Amino acid sequence: ILNVEQSPQSLHVQEGDSTNFTCSFPSSNFYALHWYRWETAKSPEALFVMTLNGDEKKKGRISATLNTKEGYSYLYIKGSQPEDSATYLCAFTTGNQFYFGTGTSLTVIP
Amino acid sequence: GAVVSQHPSWVICKSGTSVKIECRSLDFQATTMFWYRQFPKQSLMLMATSNEGSKATYEQGVEKDKFLINHASLTLSTLTVTSAHPEDSSFYICATGWAEQYFGPGTRLTVT
Repeated sequence: ILNVEQSPQSLHVQEGDSTNFTCSFPSSNFYALHWYRWETAKSPEALFVMTLNGDEKKKGRISATLNTKEGYSYLYIKGSQPEDSATYLCAFTTGNQFYFGTGTSLTVIP
Repeated sequence: GAVVSQHPSWVICKSGTSVKIECRSLDFQATTMFWYRQFPKQSLMLMATSNEGSKATYEQGVEKDKFLINHASLTLSTLTVTSAHPEDSSFYICATGWAEQYFGPGTRLTVT
């Protein structure tokens, strides 16, 4: 079992604040790193798939970076809004199987 | 992305009974379905991989006789928890796709 760690486990931010989370994963046998946004009672929604060291992806106010050599990815949210409240899940894949972190639960306080 | 539905969203059953969870791909043909389980404060852990028309592949430590998986069509995969016990209480979620995982919304099982 490959270990994927996410930090922090949870955080609360004020509306308008910017925030970031970390996903750490094994640097060997890397194929891709995925970020998902998961709201309660809904299906996890794919945000980003990153494959190359140094990749940076952006979707609106959310962006992500990837460092495959040191085994980490950051997810950034700029100007957090209440609708950003969700669990953000990362997953590392070797190409054969997905390995998930425990997620970061974000609450944005209006 | 692909749309996957899962039913029921939550279920409570008595110890010793069986529970069936259905996972449907609504807008594509899913030859493979992955079944995950998540205990509180833990990550999603792969239980088994089902393939349409053939036997499922179970991960180490997952009892195939207890967690029966059927993938009889390209749009439906089912997971049956047989003779459920309180320790089977968990969150079960299905997903399909190899390059990208498309998830159902999950099923919360509570065994009393």
